[in-house]
Amino acid sequence: GDSVTQTEGLVTLTKGLPVMLNCTYQTTYSPFLFWYVQHLNEAPKLLLKSSTDNKRTEHQGFYATLHKSSSSFHLQKSSVQLSDSALYFCALSPSNMGYKLTFGTGTSLLVDP
Amino acid sequence: GALVYQYPRRTICKSGTSMRMECQAVGFQATSVAWYRQSPQKTFELIALSTVNSAIKYEQNFTQEKFPISHPNLSFSSMTVLNAYLEDRGLYLCGARRTGVQDTQYFGPGTRLLVL
Repeated sequence: GDSVTQTEGLVTLTKGLPVMLNCTYQTTYSPFLFWYVQHLNEAPKLLLKSSTDNKRTEHQGFYATLHKSSSSFHLQKSSVQLSDSALYFCALSPSNMGYKLTFGTGTSLLVDP
Repeated sequence: GALVYQYPRRTICKSGTSMRMECQAVGFQATSVAWYRQSPQKTFELIALSTVNSAIKYEQNFTQEKFPISHPNLSFSSMTVLNAYLEDRGLYLCGARRTGVQDTQYFGPGTRLLVL
């Protein structure tokens, strides 16, 4: 079946530094990848999405590129801010319907002053 | 903007009893609602997908007998956890898919269930 792997459970960084959160996936279908961000006591919000191979997608300073050759969709930001502290989930949909998501285990990003 | 509300935000029930949780889409019509559960130390698992005027599709390990769902219109869905036990505790998320926007789910803040 489909699966998503996020290798880091917790990432701690100082404000202003770059960050990369890893996400790899497995599916036999054409993948649609998502990054969701969840702040404390809030709903997960869509951050990025992509189904296009080798095309960078950006939003709110975050960016990611879907690489089908390596089954990866790593999330990056060049300079993290305190407000970026949150839980980040990578998710996979095996089609562009987006109704059936397989989530990774999530990565907590903690940004220090 | 699209908003999804879930009620209650947090609930405690005794082992063997049942509890009902609600999901309300505000500002848009939800053609489908997916219910997920995040158990302690685990990621979100899809329980079932509910589409108005279609049969509800349950994932493996989840059944209608345990998690009956009602989706009477394009803005409201409810799910009941019947005969709850310790393994049912966790955060239950509702994800509503917006009409005409095929690839995006909007999530509610979740209902956290604690079973005593």
